[in-house]
Amino acid sequence: SQTIHQWPATLVQPVGSPLSLECTVEGTSNPNLYWYRQAAGRGLQLLFYSVGIGQISSEVPQNLSASRPQDRQFILSSKKLLLSDSGFYLCAWARTSFGLGYEQYFGPGTRLTVT
Amino acid sequence: GQQLNQSPQSMFIQEGEDVSMNCTSSSIFNTWLWYKQDPGEGPVLLIALYKAGELTSNGRLTAQFGITRKDSFLNISASIPSDVGIYFCAGHTSSGTYKYIFGTGTRLKVLA
Repeated sequence: SQTIHQWPATLVQPVGSPLSLECTVEGTSNPNLYWYRQAAGRGLQLLFYSVGIGQISSEVPQNLSASRPQDRQFILSSKKLLLSDSGFYLCAWARTSFGLGYEQYFGPGTRLTVT
Repeated sequence: GQQLNQSPQSMFIQEGEDVSMNCTSSSIFNTWLWYKQDPGEGPVLLIALYKAGELTSNGRLTAQFGITRKDSFLNISASIPSDVGIYFCAGHTSSGTYKYIFGTGTRLKVLA
């Protein structure tokens, strides 16, 4: 079965510090990978998605970047955090062919607080 | 970004009651997904729908893929306290995009 991991679970960082959040998927190959951000009590905002190693699509111009160095690894980064970067960050994966369905599965999330 | 219209936004119900919520879109989707999110956790996939008119159940949950392919419905029968949470719908079209469009969420509170 497939499993998606995110770490760290929680993070408190000062303004201006760098950020690195990691997501890994087990039990599948060549997944589509996604980063979302969720503000408190709000919906899901798509930040980045990737359909393959080194392929990143950005949805929102912002202070963040993403990378996919390996097939099942997705990293969210920032060089200098802003207060507005605080939120709940969710990684997700989805299959890439209709024969296997288009379900999307989420990780447990990382709670980021920028102080 | 684009979001789906999901209603109601929130609802309080008595334990044992049935719950209905829906999601509408101006675009056609080939896949509808329904999720539940508990506080501090990632959304959990409840039901996936792939065909217009499809009706799928998962325990006390039943979801339907609207005939027009622009809407979907989720029903919860005989609600229990652990049904509390936020329910999200999501739509996906297989025609050249890899994105999922999410609803604004329905916050469910169950009164024991």
